[in-house]
Amino acid sequence: DAGITQSPRHKVTETGTPVTLRCHQTENHRYMYWYRQDPGHGLRLIHYSYGVKDTDKGEVSDGYSVSRSKTEDFLLTLESATSSQTSVYFCAISESQGQGTEAFFGQGTRLTVV
Amino acid sequence: GESVGLHLPTLSVQEGDNSIINCAYSNSASDYFIWYKQESGKGPQFIIDIRSNMDKRQGQRVTVLLNKTVKHLSLQIAATQPGDSAVYFCAETHNTGKLIFGQGTTLQVKP
Repeated sequence: DAGITQSPRHKVTETGTPVTLRCHQTENHRYMYWYRQDPGHGLRLIHYSYGVKDTDKGEVSDGYSVSRSKTEDFLLTLESATSSQTSVYFCAISESQGQGTEAFFGQGTRLTVV
Repeated sequence: GESVGLHLPTLSVQEGDNSIINCAYSNSASDYFIWYKQESGKGPQFIIDIRSNMDKRQGQRVTVLLNKTVKHLSLQIAATQPGDSAVYFCAETHNTGKLIFGQGTTLQVKP
């Protein structure tokens, strides 16, 4: 398995509190992604990074921010958690783009906002 | 906006039969298309991909077909096995680095 670790694996938090999810990789891959997965919506891209301090928005970025201060870590922050952000969050890494370059996924973080 | 979608949310097949999972996409500028498999409680895993200038690519028991005219992608699984039961996602990637997924098809294999 690719060296990718998400933490925490499970979290319950209260509405209005900030939450940070961490994605850590040991593969030195350039690209990192944060997705949320909800029933009926598949995997939706929140933010992604194409290098240290280089990030861009995905499909559902409102209410989320990210930071990548070093290659191995990509942090996802929910600035003020809402119940609609209850979801399973997946981090993914990819060495490059193009054919034969697969994205490796973490095991996911289940976040519940109450 | 761009979107990647699958035609059916659920597909049920008999063990040993061939499975065909379909996907439609909207962005004609996409460079690569990828199929992922997600088993319960796990993250998605890469199955096979295809470049936009190709029509067909084969792997072990899997074939991906790309029809750019109608913006359609399909995954064919030969001799479907119980271990193939999972959710299958198509995805597209751009030269921007974005990786966009469709909604997924659940494949159920009946013994």
